[in-house]
Amino acid sequence: AQTVTQSQPEMSVQEAETVTLSCTYDTSESDYYLFWYKQPPSRQMILVIRQEAYKQQNATENRFSVNFQKAAKSFSLKISDSQLGDAAMYFCVSFGNEKLTFGTGTRLTIIP
Amino acid sequence: DAMVIQNPRYQVTQFGKPVTLSCSQTLNHNVMYWYQQKSSQAPKLLFHYYDKDFNNEADTPDNFQSRRPNTSFCFLDIRSPGLGDAAMYLCATSNAPTGFAYEQYFGPGTRLTVT
Repeated sequence: AQTVTQSQPEMSVQEAETVTLSCTYDTSESDYYLFWYKQPPSRQMILVIRQEAYKQQNATENRFSVNFQKAAKSFSLKISDSQLGDAAMYFCVSFGNEKLTFGTGTRLTIIP
Repeated sequence: DAMVIQNPRYQVTQFGKPVTLSCSQTLNHNVMYWYQQKSSQAPKLLFHYYDKDFNNEADTPDNFQSRRPNTSFCFLDIRSPGLGDAAMYLCATSNAPTGFAYEQYFGPGTRLTVT
């Protein structure tokens, strides 16, 4: 079984600043993937960034990057130069055994 | 653009009155999922189709059924909605097996209200 824990129900950041969202996970799978999904208010969920567990290099997508610590089972998301459009619920998600396991989410507010 | 479409976006039904939610996709993905998401909670997987094979989650109530008549369409049927079934229902697709992770593409959701 997989579990994903997001210990920050809410976060806020000033526009243009950097924020880090935390996530820890547990899995018995040897081959798995980790994702951060973003769900803006009243809009569909979209993939922000993906990390293959077998890759040591941290994934980066423009202003979004992750800090993947496999031994510690930690997978945090860093958002640089925060923008108003980044305001959303962010879900940390693991994939293994043909199933996504979602964390409980972190609601990110951007302060103008 | 290839996408996942859900109709209707908002659905109101009466307690006990059967309701059907629709999902279609132009991505030609072989896997389709239905999730239930209650307010400020994570999505909960109800079931998924891997091609024509139906996979039900162990804790999905019998009240929830699904049909997939072809690759493009998938339906969620709630036979006798209760007040506790009011939620956002998300449809998602993925392409498996692929050379990389089975990331899922989500539709905008249908918000179900039960009166």
